[in-house]
Amino acid sequence: AQSVSQHNHHVILSEAASLELGCNYSYGGTVNLFWYVQYPGQHLQLLLKYFSGDPLVKGIKGFEAEFIKSKFSFNLRKPSVQWSDTAEYFCAVNSGYALNFGKGTSLLVTP
Amino acid sequence: EAGVAQSPRYKIIEKRQSVAFWCNPISGHATLYWYQQILGQGPKLLIQFQNNGVVDDSQLPKDRFSAERLKGVDSTLKIQPAKLEDSAVYLCASSLWVSGGRYNEQFFGPGTRLTVL
Repeated sequence: AQSVSQHNHHVILSEAASLELGCNYSYGGTVNLFWYVQYPGQHLQLLLKYFSGDPLVKGIKGFEAEFIKSKFSFNLRKPSVQWSDTAEYFCAVNSGYALNFGKGTSLLVTP
Repeated sequence: EAGVAQSPRYKIIEKRQSVAFWCNPISGHATLYWYQQILGQGPKLLIQFQNNGVVDDSQLPKDRFSAERLKGVDSTLKIQPAKLEDSAVYLCASSLWVSGGRYNEQFFGPGTRLTVL
């Protein structure tokens, strides 16, 4: 069955720490990959996306993600987190029309 | 640019009652999606419209859920009768026309939080 797995459900980091959130998917064929973010009290919004080309993609607010096809992974990274990065992060995969989300990772950044 | 609008933002009902949610997509967006997000999980697609036609409703519990987009703009999602397990946030999203494997970014509304008692 097709699925998206996010390894960490809850992450707590101190400001300036580095962040890496894992995402693995199980889909055959061509996929499009996304990270969405939901800040407290706000809408889901797109953080970054990968369709093709350079497997290292850069998004908003200093986030980046690397697509490793052989590992079916699309991990999200940020070298130095800020308190304002506290949010829920969702990995998503598009195959065909549907957008399939992982369960999300709740990130808390402490001052 | 105005975003995706949804109402109501919150709804509390008792089981076996009916409820309806409304969504107004971004102007010009032909594709509209309804998602269900249960606490602790990611959003799950319930139904996708392209203008007023259904593209995918494979995960919509059709015995109790229905959705329509009669004029290809606004959409309503209805639950009748509601069950306890329907408690969730219902998200509406819209995007430009989707065709032939091409993906267009989905823009999400604020959601409607439904509590079924």
